[in-house]
Amino acid sequence: AQTVTQSQPEMSVQEAETVTLSCTYDTSESDYYLFWYKQPPSRQMILVIRQEAYKQQNATENRFSVNFQKAAKSFSLKISDSQLGDAAMYFCACSGYALNFGKGTSLLVTP
Amino acid sequence: DAGVIQSPRHEVTEMGQEVTLRCKPISGHDYLFWYRQTMMRGLELLIYFNNNVPIDDSGMPEDRFSAKMPNASFSTLKIQPSEPRDSAVYFCASSFDRWELFFGEGSRLTVL
Repeated sequence: AQTVTQSQPEMSVQEAETVTLSCTYDTSESDYYLFWYKQPPSRQMILVIRQEAYKQQNATENRFSVNFQKAAKSFSLKISDSQLGDAAMYFCACSGYALNFGKGTSLLVTP
Repeated sequence: DAGVIQSPRHEVTEMGQEVTLRCKPISGHDYLFWYRQTMMRGLELLIYFNNNVPIDDSGMPEDRFSAKMPNASFSTLKIQPSEPRDSAVYFCASSFDRWELFFGEGSRLTVL
């Protein structure tokens, strides 16, 4: 069974600073996908970034980038130039039989 | 293009009552998923459909839960009878490739 672990229940960052959220996963699949989703107080789950495991290049989306370490089964999310609107729960997810989610990291952004 | 549409956004009901949650997926998406989110258990997959056919319902907690997808543009999740421990946020999501999920805004269910 696939498992996704987010070891940081809460993180805090100052506006304009950079923060990295950690995620490790376990899968027996040779080909899989990894995702970061954001859940703001409005509750809707929003896709932040997607990484295909067969791609060596780390995915980037504007201020969001990942550090994908396939051998270590690590998939961290880096948020640069943090903004107040980045405050949310962030969920890491790994594809398997279905998409499996971690427990989430609550990100607080302070002015 | 409209996203995944769920209704109701909030539902408060009494134990023993029937609850029906509704979902309209994004047009063209062949996969539809129902997830439940609680503080204790996080996001749990309940069931998913491919081309309107239920593929895996092993996450459905009990026989009190049932889900249908009569056509490509509509799905329901029904709980009968409801219990307080069913209180949660229920998400519907659709996908074109099975993996990248597009979520609705969720239905918050409170069973008293």
